[in-house]
Amino acid sequence: NAGVMQNPRHLVRRRGQEARLRCSPMKGHSHVYWYRQLPEEGLKFMVYLQKENIIDESGMPKERFSAEFPKEGPSILRIQQVVRGDSAAYFCASSPPEPGIHYGYTFGSGTRLTVV
Amino acid sequence: RKEVEQDPGPFNVPEGATVAFNCTYSNSASQSFFWYRQDCRKEPKLLMSVYSSGNEDGRFTAQLNRASQYISLLIRDSKLSDSATYLCAVNSNSGYALNFGKGTSLLVTP
Repeated sequence: NAGVMQNPRHLVRRRGQEARLRCSPMKGHSHVYWYRQLPEEGLKFMVYLQKENIIDESGMPKERFSAEFPKEGPSILRIQQVVRGDSAAYFCASSPPEPGIHYGYTFGSGTRLTVV
Repeated sequence: RKEVEQDPGPFNVPEGATVAFNCTYSNSASQSFFWYRQDCRKEPKLLMSVYSSGNEDGRFTAQLNRASQYISLLIRDSKLSDSATYLCAVNSNSGYALNFGKGTSLLVTP
């Protein structure tokens, strides 16, 4: 029973390139949450998605960042024209159709993005 | 005032010691509270939820003080393997998002 799967584990991009981070939720889970952890910072909520719907993107930077969770396939966090300040660890969590907030999240192993 | 605040430490303690961390939160309407453990360059892992009456899981005890708006984590009989960063998390106004503290670093020494 696989947990939340994220790939790639490590991603290196040059400034100006695009980064695509993928998250496959736990089996039976249809809600996905993305968080970012900047160096020496706490985890910050970015976006909450259900299949084919963005429910809350209040934590997403206004430009260059987008997220989707299609009917088929993983959730994708896309960062266009990356800058050095985007270097961070990006974590994904999932929950069943009745969001399990009261049970806490199980995070995937994360994607560490390095912008050079 | 930040949503969730923690003393960053580091807390250096010898094996077998008892250590306690506090975490304060600003939203008095918060209902869900958690402690996570994060090892270096790894994902945060849920350690335990924090219930109003306090709860214990082996050597770990979590408590909630709503009046003063803080939660605490007590670790008894510290092990070398307890060395990690401990994050507290409190639900945001949305209900489903969590606000995390920056974490408290613990180093247990032989």
